Amino acid sequence: NAGVIQTPRHKVTGKGQEATLWCEPISGHSAVFWYRQTIVQGLEFLTYFRNQAPIDDSGMPKERFSAQMPNQSHSTLKIQSTQPQDSAVYLCASSLGRGSQNTLYFGAGTRLSVL
Amino acid sequence: GEKVEQHESTLSVREGDSAVINCTYTDTASSYFPWYKQEAGKSLHFVIDIRSNVDRKQSQRLIVLLDKKAKRFSLHITATQPEDSAIYFCAASIGSSGNKLIFGIGTLLSVKP
Repeated sequence: NAGVIQTPRHKVTGKGQEATLWCEPISGHSAVFWYRQTIVQGLEFLTYFRNQAPIDDSGMPKERFSAQMPNQSHSTLKIQSTQPQDSAVYLCASSLGRGSQNTLYFGAGTRLSVL
Repeated sequence: GEKVEQHESTLSVREGDSAVINCTYTDTASSYFPWYKQEAGKSLHFVIDIRSNVDRKQSQRLIVLLDKKAKRFSLHITATQPEDSAIYFCAASIGSSGNKLIFGIGTLLSVKP
């Protein structure tokens, strides 16, 4: 079991460019979460999917952020027109998502730097 | 919105002493309270959790206490070792499903030999 895989590990974009981050959850996990980690804000919830369906995107900045889960083996987080304040580590996590099985397993994260 | 507050941003203890990290939460529906550890340069990994049907749980040197009335929970690390040095995050489930977690800001624990 390779755990949650996130690619790329580091991404540098220029202001106004698009960034797409990828996540492969643990096989058999039905829930996938995206969080953003910064020194100032800590871990901020962005969105989550259950059985590929979007459940809660209340943490997503509405205009430029979008997330998809086209199949059970990967999810993407897309940021359009990136801004310097989007610089952060974006963490993907998965869980079994069944009953009381809430434990999140985190990927190593993608460090996004917007210049 | 709902919040989890982590009261100690940094904590320094001597090896062998105990360390205590305190958190409070706002959502009365919260029922699940996990703790995660993040070592330097690594991602978060789960260390221990407690559910709202109990008020104490222990796993080896880790003890979690939950006071539902005060909406407060804490992590106690006994007989600390240098390898316990890390950032510790508390979290609380939000909403009825219990799947979504809101995290505290993190506590940087340093265990000095």
